[in-house]
Amino acid sequence: DAKTTQPPSMDCAEGRAANLPCNHSTISGNEYVYWYRQIHSQGPQYIIHGLKNNETNEMASLIITEDRKSSTLILPHATLRDTAVYYCIVKASGGFKTIFGAGTRLFVKA
Amino acid sequence: GAGVSQSPSNKVTEKGKDVELRCDPISGHTALYWYRQSLGQGLEFLIYFQGNSAPDKSGLPSDRFSAERTGGSVSTLTIQRTQQEDSAVYLCASSSTSGRYNEQFFGPGTRLTVL
Repeated sequence: DAKTTQPPSMDCAEGRAANLPCNHSTISGNEYVYWYRQIHSQGPQYIIHGLKNNETNEMASLIITEDRKSSTLILPHATLRDTAVYYCIVKASGGFKTIFGAGTRLFVKA
Repeated sequence: GAGVSQSPSNKVTEKGKDVELRCDPISGHTALYWYRQSLGQGLEFLIYFQGNSAPDKSGLPSDRFSAERTGGSVSTLTIQRTQQEDSAVYLCASSSTSGRYNEQFFGPGTRLTVL
C-alpha cells in the first residue's frame, strides 16, 4: 500500500473550516483514499473515502487532486468535538491490510 | 445493532504472565483486524483475518504474540510471557466484504499494563 504524509498537528478556530492535507504521491490507480479520526481514548472512526471524484457526506468533504497525488479533508464548521487525530490512508479496493500513519492532530480552539 | 466489543477493557498483569484479549466483531462481518497503539503513538497493524483464508500475521512483533478466530466470529489475541514494552491499547476492528470499501468499525480497545 502507498504511504501517506500528513502534517503532525494543526489548529483551527471553532466555527471555521478545517482543511487537513495529505500527500500520497505513490498512489496506484486502484487505491482509494480513506480518512479516519480518533478522538482521545476512543477507537478510530471512519469519516469518508474516495477514488478520484470529490466526495461529501454529513461529516466532511474530500477533495482529491486531478493527479490523485494529494487530497484534503474539509470539516466545514469545526467544533470543539472535532479535536482528534485524523488519519489519511490509501488502500486498494478489496484490500484488507491497513497501515495507519502518525496522522494529524487537529486542535479546535474556542 | 451492536458494535465491536472487546474484553476486558483494562488488564493489569505482571511481567512474564500470559494474557488473552477478546474481540467480538459485528455480526456478519467476515474481516477482523487487531492493532496495537502505544501511548501517544499511531496504530500499529498486528494481524487480520478474512473469512476462511489464512490470516495475515505480518504485523505480529514476535512469536510471543498469536491470535485465533474461532467459527469465523470471536477472536482472541494471546500474548505469552508479557514484557513491559507490550503495554499498550489493543484495538480490534471488523469490516464487511459485501461492499467494496471495507470500512472498518473499531471496538473501544483493551488497555494492557504490564508491571
